[in-house]
Amino acid sequence: DAGVIQSPRHEVTEMGQEVTLRCKPISGHDYLFWYRQTMMRGLELLIYFNNNVPIDDSGMPEDRFSAKMPNASFSTLKIQPSEPRDSAVYFCASSFGQGEEKLFFGSGTQLSVL
Amino acid sequence: AQSVTQLDSQVPVFEEAPVELRCNYSSSVSVYLFWYVQYPNQGLQLLLKYLSGSTLVKGINGFEAEFNKSQTSFHLRKPSVHISDTAEYFCAVSNSGYALNFGKGTSLLVTP
Repeated sequence: DAGVIQSPRHEVTEMGQEVTLRCKPISGHDYLFWYRQTMMRGLELLIYFNNNVPIDDSGMPEDRFSAKMPNASFSTLKIQPSEPRDSAVYFCASSFGQGEEKLFFGSGTQLSVL
Repeated sequence: AQSVTQLDSQVPVFEEAPVELRCNYSSSVSVYLFWYVQYPNQGLQLLLKYLSGSTLVKGINGFEAEFNKSQTSFHLRKPSVHISDTAEYFCAVSNSGYALNFGKGTSLLVTP
């Protein structure tokens, strides 16, 4: 398996634009997580899904952020409209339930909002 | 809710010296504890985890950690570090095993 695949690796956009980050989890994994990493706040859990259903979105900072998982092999994190303070590295991770308790992380998307 | 405090933001150490990266957690319920490592421009990788049982946990690359319930700590140790151990290390806690709360990380810098 190729691991968790995120795209794009880098995204530079202007304030006010819509940004969509994409994630393909490892096949067979039933949990998917979105994390945001900044120097100030470290790694923050934004939202996670189990079997494509959002379980906890309490970490989503504002209504400008939304996440979807239309099927087991794809998830998106959307920011609309984007702001400079959204600049961060966004990680997607997946895991196989049933006691595995190990997250597999993608390489992240470096987002810069100018 | 559970949280993690990593007491050192940076730890410089010489090659072949021992190292300890400190982690304290707070939780009102039973927890699972993890250490992850992040190399530059990469995602995080699991080093080791404590779920139950023996309080001394051994992980990859010669790292180990000890769960101390009375001190609510889960410090990471390695008896002799290599240059290649230079990375960011994250302690994490969960009460479900799935949704982890991470500390802010400790940057380990190993120099010759």
